[in-house]
Amino acid sequence: GEDVEQSLFLSVREGDSSVINCTYTDSSSTYLYWYKQEPGAGLQLLTYIFSNMDMKQDQRLTVLLNKKDKHLSLRIADTQTGDSAIYFCAETKAGGFKTIFGAGTRLFVKA
Amino acid sequence: DVKVTQSSRYLVKRTGEKVFLECVQDMDHENMFWYRQDPGLGLRLIYFSYDVKMKEKGDIPEGYSVSREKKERFSLILESASTNQTSMYLCASRTTLASTDTQYFGPGTRLTVL
Repeated sequence: GEDVEQSLFLSVREGDSSVINCTYTDSSSTYLYWYKQEPGAGLQLLTYIFSNMDMKQDQRLTVLLNKKDKHLSLRIADTQTGDSAIYFCAETKAGGFKTIFGAGTRLFVKA
Repeated sequence: DVKVTQSSRYLVKRTGEKVFLECVQDMDHENMFWYRQDPGLGLRLIYFSYDVKMKEKGDIPEGYSVSREKKERFSLILESASTNQTSMYLCASRTTLASTDTQYFGPGTRLTVL
């Protein structure tokens, strides 16, 4: 079946690293995404990874993919108050139209 | 930059009213999507369109219909609004010509049905 699961909340102190985790079930997924949603706004693509990669780094963001366990994580280094938002994990099947989204993880950053 | 706009940020309607939500994208994308977002449920796909005049049901199409007469515009229609359709509605578009399947989202319309 299709399912993307994430924990609903994460709280960190400013300056610490945040790690948001996600599990997915579809082994034929081609792309795995992380989107960010700030209050009152739509979703903004943060980063993506192809399913044939293990890791992708983009400035403060590191994405790790464990295909065996179908586990995706997003690490935000030096978390800032401006990183407070909801983070969605998503997957797209190879050749498909649908993107399956997780329920979102709300990140709280304490000053 | 891709721009996806939605006609209203906030909308309040009464039960039984017909409601139109409009979405416009300016990047000539083939695919467009309508989602609703509810706390703890994430995004659920209502309908999508892979080209002009083409539409496909998503996971929760009941109570909704769509229209795509022009490539840049995708409308979501609530024929007779009900209180359980109170939600945040997000439109997205995507091109099939890019190297990724990235969807670009509008800012959302928060609909309240009284």
